[in-house]
Amino acid sequence: EAQLVESGGGLVQPGGSLRLSCAASGFTFSSYWMSWVRQAPGKGLEWVANIKQDGSEKHYVDSVKGRFTISRDDAKNSLYLQMNSLRAEDTAVYYCARDKAFKRGSSWYGFSDYWGQGTLVTVSS
Amino acid sequence: DIQMTQSPSSLSASVGDRVTITCRASQSISSYLNWYQQKPGKAPELLIYAASSLQSGVPSRFSGSGSGTDFTLTITSLQPEDFATYYCQQSHTTPNTFGQGTKVEI
Repeated sequence: EAQLVESGGGLVQPGGSLRLSCAASGFTFSSYWMSWVRQAPGKGLEWVANIKQDGSEKHYVDSVKGRFTISRDDAKNSLYLQMNSLRAEDTAVYYCARDKAFKRGSSWYGFSDYWGQGTLVTVSS
Repeated sequence: DIQMTQSPSSLSASVGDRVTITCRASQSISSYLNWYQQKPGKAPELLIYAASSLQSGVPSRFSGSGSGTDFTLTITSLQPEDFATYYCQQSHTTPNTFGQGTKVEI
C-alpha cells in the first residue's frame, strides 16, 4: 500500500528557511503528480503546490509564489518543499499527497488519494 | 482563484441521522469536485472524487452529487465514526482550493 512520510518541520524564525521532505513508498512514485497541502492550527485545509510526474510543470498558490519551491527526486522516491522568507502565517501542518487522475468520458479528474501524517512548521521569534 | 463555500460550517446530528453538506463554487467546475473527511490530529481521507465516484473502501452510506457550481455530500444513517470535519475541493483549476470545512458533531 502507498505510504507517505513527511519530515523536516520545526521552529524557524520569520524570514528563515526550511526544507520539507516527503518519502514515498509502496507505489511507482515517478508515475504520479504530487502535492503539498497545509493546515494552520485550528483552521481548514489550504492547497499549496503541486508538481507533474517529470517535474516539468509546477503550480503554486499565490501566497507562496516566489518564496516556496516544490521539487522531486524520482530516484529517491522523494518530494520536497523548499520554503524561504517564512512568515508567521506559514505556520501550519504540511501534508504531502499523491495525486491521481480518473477518466470519465473525455475528461480527466484529479484528486489526492494518499496523504502523509503531516509535519508541523512553526514560524515564530 | 475559484472560491469554494460550504454550508453549514457546523451541524449537530445523531447516530442514524441523514446528513447533507453543500458546497458551492464561485464559477462552474463541471464535476471537478472532491470530498475529504478529516478527524482531529489525522490527515484528510478521500471520500468522493469527480463529484460522485466513491473512493475504494469508503462505506456506501457516503454519496456525492452535483455538477457546475452546486454540490452535495450526503451521509445516510450517520455512524459514530463519521463525526469529523468534511471538506470539498475543486480540481478544475490550480490552485485547487478547498471549502472552509463542515464540522459534524453530536
